[in-house]
Amino acid sequence: DTGVSQNPRHKITKRGQNVTFRCDPISEHNRLYWYRQTLGQGPEFLTYFQNEAQLEKSRLLSDRFSAERPKGSFSTLEIQRTEQGDSAMYLCASSLVVTSRIAFGSGTRLTVV
Amino acid sequence: KNEVEQSPQNLTAQEGEFITINCSYSVGISALHWLQQHPGGGIVSLFMLSSGKKKHGRLIATINIQEKHSSLHITASHPRDSAVYICAVWGTGTASKLTFGTGTRLQVTL
Repeated sequence: DTGVSQNPRHKITKRGQNVTFRCDPISEHNRLYWYRQTLGQGPEFLTYFQNEAQLEKSRLLSDRFSAERPKGSFSTLEIQRTEQGDSAMYLCASSLVVTSRIAFGSGTRLTVV
Repeated sequence: KNEVEQSPQNLTAQEGEFITINCSYSVGISALHWLQQHPGGGIVSLFMLSSGKKKHGRLIATINIQEKHSSLHITASHPRDSAVYICAVWGTGTASKLTFGTGTRLQVTL
């Protein structure tokens, strides 16, 4: 078990471009979460999946953001038409069931220039 | 007002000092996590607790469910303890998610 893996670690993109991040959770974990963290703040919830079903989306997740977990394993988070305000650390986490231990990836740091 | 509040936001201590970080929450919870985040690094779970007290090495976490308050204590602090410490709560119900505090940035100096 290699923990939660996120790719890429860093992404620099020009405003208006689309970006996609990938998260590979711990294999037996059925819950997968996406969070966004800006400097000096705690992580903010974006969305989460139980298996392949997306159960909740935050109001922070505008229509430019979409997340998928097609086979209940890895997940992708896509941001279309990126804006400078999208610059942040995007964190992925997984857990077996609610209120169990949660494991975090190292995050993908996005910089929109 | 955030559902999870931490204090202090920033803390500087000298090596060897006893440190306390506080967390208050306003929602019903099923469990609370204390997490550690190093600069540029991922987040590591230190404790998950739903009642009472847990101890791991120099770290102690307590929770008072009635008062909706938790504390993280570090005894004999060391520069390697320098990190951001984050309190996060699992909501109640099956469709709950983890809600985070804004974190406490701890700097331990020699």
